[in-house]
Amino acid sequence: GQQVMQIPQYQHVQEGEDFTTYCNSSTTLSNIQWYKQRPGGHPVFLIQLVKSGEVKKQKRLTFQFGEAKKNSSLHITATQTTDVGTYFCAIDRGSTLGRLYFGRGTQLTVWP
Amino acid sequence: GAVVSQHPSRVICKSGTSVKIECRSLDFQATTMFWYRQFPKQSLMLMATSNEGSKATYEQGVEKDKFLINHASLTLSTLTVTSAHPEDSSFYICSAPPTGTSGYTFGSGTRLTVV
Repeated sequence: GQQVMQIPQYQHVQEGEDFTTYCNSSTTLSNIQWYKQRPGGHPVFLIQLVKSGEVKKQKRLTFQFGEAKKNSSLHITATQTTDVGTYFCAIDRGSTLGRLYFGRGTQLTVWP
Repeated sequence: GAVVSQHPSRVICKSGTSVKIECRSLDFQATTMFWYRQFPKQSLMLMATSNEGSKATYEQGVEKDKFLINHASLTLSTLTVTSAHPEDSSFYICSAPPTGTSGYTFGSGTRLTVV
């Protein structure tokens, strides 16, 4: 089945700095999703990207899907302490929807 | 939006006992539910897919006899960890397929500690 590599594993930033996490696949993806998990919490859906070269924004968050649909990124501008958590990308394995494969996640720490 | 209720949120059990975790879709019907396991500081790993009215589909390496999954109705899926051992201690999370353009909705998770 398809897999996705996510980097970095950890990121520590000062409040106000930017943050980016990347996901890469060796195969073309049909779509990619991004989730945020707060410490002790459960994953919360952020967005799904479907189209080649797609860019979507949610306030300070910018999501991109590569032209070849093999990579994606999540960028946070001017981080805040509320952004703390682990950000996961996830893809549908194979042809059966719902069997998500999660990247290893990027744990974001924001220092005030 | 879609809400998935998972219960209990936290459970401590003795080694050798069984624990049942429930996952309910509150405002929609789900013919399929997904069960994940997450060890500390690690990612979510899909364990199995429960299907209403038929047998669950397990991922490679997941013991069917140890992790019993039942999808009793269109709103309830259960995961029973049988003969639990300390190595089964983990965060178990269920999810339901997306409704509309939203992503998968996750339950709040069950933190299982086997002592």
